[in-house]
Parts: sequence; structure tokens; C-alpha cells
Amino acid sequence: GAGVSQSPRYKVAKRGQDVALRCDPISGHVSLFWYQQALGQGPEFLTYFQNEAQLDKSGLPSDRFFAERPEGSVSTLKIQRTQQEDSAVYLCASSFNRFEQYFGPGTRLTVT
Amino acid sequence: GENVEQHPSTLSVQEGDSAVIKCTYSDSASNYFPWYKQELGKRPQLIIDIRSNVGEKKDQRIAVTLNKTAKHFSLHITETQPEDSAVYFCAAQPTGNQFYFGTGTSLTVIP
Repeated sequence: GAGVSQSPRYKVAKRGQDVALRCDPISGHVSLFWYQQALGQGPEFLTYFQNEAQLDKSGLPSDRFFAERPEGSVSTLKIQRTQQEDSAVYLCASSFNRFEQYFGPGTRLTVT
Repeated sequence: GENVEQHPSTLSVQEGDSAVIKCTYSDSASNYFPWYKQELGKRPQLIIDIRSNVGEKKDQRIAVTLNKTAKHFSLHITETQPEDSAVYFCAAQPTGNQFYFGTGTSLTVIP
């Protein structure tokens, strides 16, 4: 079946602009995760959803970051008033259980 | 929170040789340890995982070992091939749901 998809694949934003990143998880996966991956580093956890409920948002770096999954499938990560330090690859992963997480291709965000 | 350390950061091996990547973790509650392979510009792909109730797991040329007492786990790749060249990440999962990743190992297999 289809894997996790993300859009856009690349996004260039001017500092101060708002951006919205989309994730389509694997059908039937109840768990959805967002990670931030800086260049040359491992992914770092941002937030976790079980169905539509956001159960953990402890990794969101500031209140400029907001995520939602209103119908328990597609999720959107929104970053308001982008800063240069927000430049990174944003990865989405989904899972049927709490173990195997399958990643999307990521959105590379560049803030200029 | 959990802290995962990964070594080495870079590794070069001749084709056909074995490669070993080691990770340590700090939280004794961690009970699931996946390994991901990430090629340049691609998504991380799950290649093997191990749960805390076993000490070793093997899948063809890839094996993972876990020592819960010492809080370390390792990835072993035998008979390496050029297509094994990639960045490999280990991760640990404590009682919550998030993964804590290591900093990655860039593996180069020299033909």
C-alpha cells in the first residue's frame, strides 16, 4: 500500500511568514508523530497524536509551532512567524501500534 | 529524558567486510530499539528492531544485539555491499511513544 506522504517536499519562507506542512499517514495507522531533523543530526520529537487527540506536544520548541489532526488521519504542522532557526527537515511518521514507525519523505523548510 | 549516544559517527569498510555500529542509552525504562537507514535526501527506513525481552535478532545480513544490563545495543552488518552505504540511526523508546534518536553513523562501503 501507499506509504506516508508529505507536502510540500520543499518550502522556502521569508522570515516572519507562516507555513503549513501536511502529512498523510498510512491508512489505518492511529499514531502519528512529527519530528524535526537538523542537518547531520538525528530526528528530534516534536509531537504525537493518537487518532485526533494530541497526547504529547512536549517537543514543540515554542508557541509558534502548532499541530492538528482534526479527523484522525491527515495532520498539519503549522509554524507561525518563521525564524531562521526553524530551517530543517520536518518528518512525519505513522504507526499502527506504539512500536514500528514509518516515515514520510519529509518537508525541507528553508527560512531566508 | 532519554539520552542516546551513537558511535562511530563515520565508518568506512571494504566491500564484503562487516560493519558494527554501537549505541548506548540512559533510561532503563526503554524497551524498544529500532534501527533506521537513511540515504541522502530520502526518508528514514526501518531496517530492524529489537524489544527488551530478547538479546539478539537477525534478518539476513543484519543483526542487532541488546545488553539491557549495560544499556547498550549494536547493529551488525555482514558481507557489506555498496548499497549499504547510508546514514544509520539508532533509537530508543521509553515508556512513552516518542523515539529518542542517536546522532547517526555515516557508513561508506568501498567497492
